[in-house]
Amino acid sequence: ILNVEQSPQSLHVQEGDSTNFTCSFPSSNFYALHWYRWETAKSPEALFVMTLNGDEKKKGRISATLNTKEGYSYLYIKGSQPEDSATYLCASMDSSYKLIFGSGTRLLVRP
Amino acid sequence: NAGVTQTPKFQVLKTGQSMTLQCAQDMNHEYMSWYRQDPGMGLRLIHYSVGAGITDQGEVPNGYNVSRSTTEDFPLRLLSAAPSQTSVYFCASRLTGGGNYGYTFGSGTRLTVV
Repeated sequence: ILNVEQSPQSLHVQEGDSTNFTCSFPSSNFYALHWYRWETAKSPEALFVMTLNGDEKKKGRISATLNTKEGYSYLYIKGSQPEDSATYLCASMDSSYKLIFGSGTRLLVRP
Repeated sequence: NAGVTQTPKFQVLKTGQSMTLQCAQDMNHEYMSWYRQDPGMGLRLIHYSVGAGITDQGEVPNGYNVSRSTTEDFPLRLLSAAPSQTSVYFCASRLTGGGNYGYTFGSGTRLTVV
């Protein structure tokens, strides 16, 4: 079973700050890396799916990078807003198509 | 499209009872999975399916059964409920097409076993 780790566990930032989180995953049998955004009392929503080493994806102020050789991905948020407050989950899929989640980074953006 | 529909939303069971959590999707997604969410532990994979007639175990399969007789439905059966199965259960589905599609999640079923 994959071991997916995220850091930090939680993060408090001021509105306007930029921030980033780390996801590490086993690089052997790697197939895809997912990022999800999970707001309180809602269901997780997919942000990015990345498959290739060196992939970079962007959606508005949020972007992500992928390094499959060393087994890590970064999620960046530029100019954090209070509405960015959520738990950010990463998940790794191996060649058996299991998608295994990390325990998440909880972000709180103070106005 | 309704997306991924889970029923019931809430359920209280007594220890030893059995029940089935329902999950249906109308997006013609091949992949479906069941996760449980416990405080401090994120989402843990129970069982998953890559298509009708095909199921496999995830990280925490004990005490749960699944079947996938149609593309649309992926029910999760608790055989003999235990307090350790108190959790929030999420069903999710996605297209195949390699690794390029994210999962769509249902709204969850909150289960309490007393």
